[in-house]
Amino acid sequence: DGGITQSPKYLFRKEGQNVTLSCEQNLNHDAMYWYRQDPGQGLRLIYYSQIVNDFQKGDIAEGYSVSREKKESFPLTVTSAQKNPTAFYLCASSPGTFNQPQHFGDGTRLSIL
Amino acid sequence: AQKVTQAQTEISVVEKEDVTLDCVYETRDTTYYLFWYKQPPSGELVFLIRRNSFDEQNEISGRYSWNFQKSTSSFNFTITASQVVDSAVYFCALSEAKDTGNQFYFGTGTSLTVIP
Repeated sequence: DGGITQSPKYLFRKEGQNVTLSCEQNLNHDAMYWYRQDPGQGLRLIYYSQIVNDFQKGDIAEGYSVSREKKESFPLTVTSAQKNPTAFYLCASSPGTFNQPQHFGDGTRLSIL
Repeated sequence: AQKVTQAQTEISVVEKEDVTLDCVYETRDTTYYLFWYKQPPSGELVFLIRRNSFDEQNEISGRYSWNFQKSTSSFNFTITASQVVDSAVYFCALSEAKDTGNQFYFGTGTSLTVIP
């Protein structure tokens, strides 16, 4: 079955540590996205990528980094510069045209130890 | 300014009641798309419906219906005869074409609780 796989489901970060969230899709979608969800604030865009080897900052990119070396993969690194990383992180993909819905993974919940 | 406004933060209804979730959007584009998603407690957002800016016909799918009115920039979602399984957070989203690629604008969501 085609879909988006995020791992791990739960992740704990120590102070000063970088952590990487995985996102893999087998939908053959060109575009991929990372969102952060905090209670009562909906979804906020961190980064998005329309094509391999290219990505754009979203509304809250500070403290995060991404790479897009393969079409199927769009990992998100939460760096130590992100002072409030505790949140639910959602990865999405789409064919890349604005008339198509985004499809989401199950999310990763990141907490601080 | 918020492009998509979902003014209802939380709604509780008793099972079998009808409930309408409001969505108001803002755009200067003439061509755009609107979407509704459901986020159950498991966390994954599930796509429910897509509507383009040129199609103002209402749509019904089982107990779900959507009312799109360009005159009021609204795209409201009604659940008829609600069930406990409808309990979730519902998001409305707007998609516009941009030179740097498309981007979705999500509302802050409405948390619906259906009480048995």
